[in-house]
Amino acid sequence: NAGVTQTPKFRILKIGQSMTLQCTQDMNHNYMYWYRQDPGMGLKLIYYSVGAGITDKGEVPNGYNVSRSTTEDFPLRLELAAPSQTSVYFCASRSRQGARGTDTQYFGPGTRLTVL
Amino acid sequence: KNQVEQSPQSLIILEGKNCTLQCNYTVSPFSNLRWYKQDTGRGPVSLTIMTFSENTKSNGRYTATLDADTKQSSLHITASQLSDSASYICVVSFLTGTASKLTFGTGTRLQVTL
Repeated sequence: NAGVTQTPKFRILKIGQSMTLQCTQDMNHNYMYWYRQDPGMGLKLIYYSVGAGITDKGEVPNGYNVSRSTTEDFPLRLELAAPSQTSVYFCASRSRQGARGTDTQYFGPGTRLTVL
Repeated sequence: KNQVEQSPQSLIILEGKNCTLQCNYTVSPFSNLRWYKQDTGRGPVSLTIMTFSENTKSNGRYTATLDADTKQSSLHITASQLSDSASYICVVSFLTGTASKLTFGTGTRLQVTL
């Protein structure tokens, strides 16, 4: 299994541009997540999905959109990029199992995004 | 407000030495506590997961403890190696609606030197 893969690894955007961060997992996990990690800060949840066709907002959803048309893919869309969206973005997935949510989240390698 | 605080922010130790990282949390309702290792430029990787009924869990040279009464956890690393150089992130899970959600600490950056 490749686990969780993300593309691209790096990207520089100009203010106002848009882009899609891709995330794919091959573990047949129901749950998928998008986080951003700013320097010196803990990861913040942007959006999550509990299965194909179902998405919900996390702590910091403004400026982002997601879709979940398949179990494997969970792309994150940035519309009208702003400097405040400069960050490292991590996608994660987990299976639906375990008492009291004791299932492991598997993270992708991240996408480093700079908005200038 | 759900919060996870870690200390120290950073730590430098000699190879072969032990160290202990601390985590205090105010997350409610508590579900479980996780420790992750994050190498530079990589995604976090799970080390341990503990529920409220577990007070110790080991993964090789890593041993996590949990005191659910005082809402404290520690991660002890034994006989450190250069490859232990990384950020260690304490993450507390709480249950809400249809999914559990995670509150992340800011991490302790550990550097192991010769």
